[in-house]
Amino acid sequence: GAGVSQTPSNKVTEKGKYVELRCDPISGHTALYWYRQSLGQGPEFLIYFQGTGAADDSGLPNDRFFAVRPEGSVSTLKIQRTERGDSAVYLCASSLTGATNEKLFFGSGTQLSVL
Amino acid sequence: AQKITQTQPGMFVQEKEAVTLDCTYDTSDPSYGLFWYKQPSSGEMIFLIYQGSYDQQNATEGRYSLNFQKARKSANLVISASQLGDSAMYFCAMRATRRGGTSYGKLTFGQGTILTVHP
Repeated sequence: GAGVSQTPSNKVTEKGKYVELRCDPISGHTALYWYRQSLGQGPEFLIYFQGTGAADDSGLPNDRFFAVRPEGSVSTLKIQRTERGDSAVYLCASSLTGATNEKLFFGSGTQLSVL
Repeated sequence: AQKITQTQPGMFVQEKEAVTLDCTYDTSDPSYGLFWYKQPSSGEMIFLIYQGSYDQQNATEGRYSLNFQKARKSANLVISASQLGDSAMYFCAMRATRRGGTSYGKLTFGQGTILTVHP
């Protein structure tokens, strides 16, 4: 596709449920990033993939959060036992190689609401 | 670790005037890049401008310019001739390179500044 695609655009779930958020990066981009953004705040880094492997997962808040990118393209962010505090917009981005001077291309985000 | 500080929660500017959005950063890495992104109310993140730490000249992109002062660790965004469509949240961000030459990869963002352009 032309840009980074995220699905679903909105997800409403109940506390304690499991959710999966999908990101389809720009074709050919080896670097993929997940961020979480609360209202009025800057994006908070979660995890960075280089190809299939997580090069930096230091931003994952706890072991309820997990992300995969098995074939080096599409990525899925998985959240177990969701809590109300997990409610936020989850942004995915990609860049060509992950080099310092590369801009990130962002998707439109998934608005997650945990009731 | 990298840190970005944006001290202006909100800024107001008159249409057609220039405005400066402040950004200071902190890193011990020898090489890094600084970015500005715009996020309108629609939520999309739009790349505006990039400045490399070793670039000799300040970056410019159309109406956007970056006032880079390395010694002060500041990377302020200047928007000239403001337009109503410039009203949005603006984020400063940085990515650094390790001493071995590999990028950290992740981009660290500041808290943002909400810019409102008045007609």
